[in-house]
Amino acid sequence: TQLLEQSPQFLSIQEGENLTVYCNSSSVFSSLQWYRQEPGEGPVLLVTVVTGGEVKKLKRLTFQFGDARKDSSLHITAAQPGDTGLYLCAGPLLYNFNKFYFGSGTKLNVKP
Amino acid sequence: ETGVTQTPRHLVMGMTNKKSLKCEQHLGHNAMYWYKQSAKKPLELMFVYSLEERVENNSVPSRFSPECPNSSHLFLHLHTLQPEDSALYLCASSQDQSGQMNTEAFFGQGTRLTVV
Repeated sequence: TQLLEQSPQFLSIQEGENLTVYCNSSSVFSSLQWYRQEPGEGPVLLVTVVTGGEVKKLKRLTFQFGDARKDSSLHITAAQPGDTGLYLCAGPLLYNFNKFYFGSGTKLNVKP
Repeated sequence: ETGVTQTPRHLVMGMTNKKSLKCEQHLGHNAMYWYKQSAKKPLELMFVYSLEERVENNSVPSRFSPECPNSSHLFLHLHTLQPEDSALYLCASSQDQSGQMNTEAFFGQGTRLTVV
């Protein structure tokens, strides 16, 4: 069983649409990171959320950390083809800072 | 450019070969990781080194042998691999700060390994 469950697994949308990706766990995390990965490349860090209830914005991307630090969401407004990729959430469990657990990822395809 | 460099980017090896993957980080971090990413599977943590000591070995077969000679370099030595070991091998680093909640991992571009 995955410690971090991501949904949906696949998402194919038209340019300009909005979408939300979810990352859920029954465990408490010290922090959660969101990464974007393109085929054949390593994941690239987008953001880190640390405080329960925290909301961070990165241009058209909005990241939220759940109050209990067990879940997170990524919302993309007006998606563009450049947003296409595999979105991964990850993080270390509380007080276990050097072991990062990864979700299985959400594969996003934004069609022009 | 994430500050973590992996070589080679691509590697094809036979099942009787011995090869090594190299990772170098220029971020001044004190923890380094090897991950395996297979098709249709989530990233699997293989090894963790913190302050050059191995702190995690996630039930990885002995045909994979990590080495961390200093805090900037990490190797993964490979021998007698199987075709199912073909995958993208990713190295990452982080600054392990006990008590700090915002530890972040930075990844290299990976080595695409094919075992034939």
